[in-house]
Amino acid sequence: GENVEQHPSTLSVQEGDSAVIKCTYSDSASNYFPWYKQELGKRPQLIIDIRSNVGEKKDQRIAVTLNKTAKHFSLHITETQPEDSAVYFCAAITAGAGSYQLTFGKGTKLSVIP
Amino acid sequence: EPEVTQTPSHQVTQMGQEVILRCVPISNHLYFYWYRQILGQKVEFLVSFYNNEISEKSEIFDDQFSVERPDGSNFTLKIRSTKLEDSAMYFCASSEGQGSYEQYFGPGTRLTVT
Repeated sequence: GENVEQHPSTLSVQEGDSAVIKCTYSDSASNYFPWYKQELGKRPQLIIDIRSNVGEKKDQRIAVTLNKTAKHFSLHITETQPEDSAVYFCAAITAGAGSYQLTFGKGTKLSVIP
Repeated sequence: EPEVTQTPSHQVTQMGQEVILRCVPISNHLYFYWYRQILGQKVEFLVSFYNNEISEKSEIFDDQFSVERPDGSNFTLKIRSTKLEDSAMYFCASSEGQGSYEQYFGPGTRLTVT
């Protein structure tokens, strides 16, 4: 099955700086890579995603890049703000039998220091 | 904006008891999922459900677990005889399917087994 590795496990940045979180996946058949933000005690919230036919996608201060050859994808947050502080999870879709189970990385706890 | 809802938000039960966790997926979604998250760990896939049957299940989803869509709106997860290690946050998620991979999560039910 799919295996997703995520680094770093914790990341502290000064407000206004950029943050980068990296993930690798093992199954070359995976074709959808979402990122979720989870604040303490709350639901994982989909913040951006990318499909395997695209190399980069941006949404305001957030961008995701995908390198299919190397099987890794990254989340980039620019101009970080205190409200960006949360745990971020990458995931990959392992398709099968008409359904799409998400395989998650272990998460990155991002702290933005004011 | 439509959201996945879950009840109860917190369930405390004694070891060996049966629990039923309830979810109302987004109304036009066709695929439904249960995930769990042990405190401080990553989100893990349990089961996916489509067209009134299980599409996929993980190794965690053993004979103690079952899912059901008893009516047109609810989706339930039953644990027949709870164990201490079942203590976790259980998230329901849904997706449109038909090539739309985005999964939206409910707020979760925190299950505490004593």
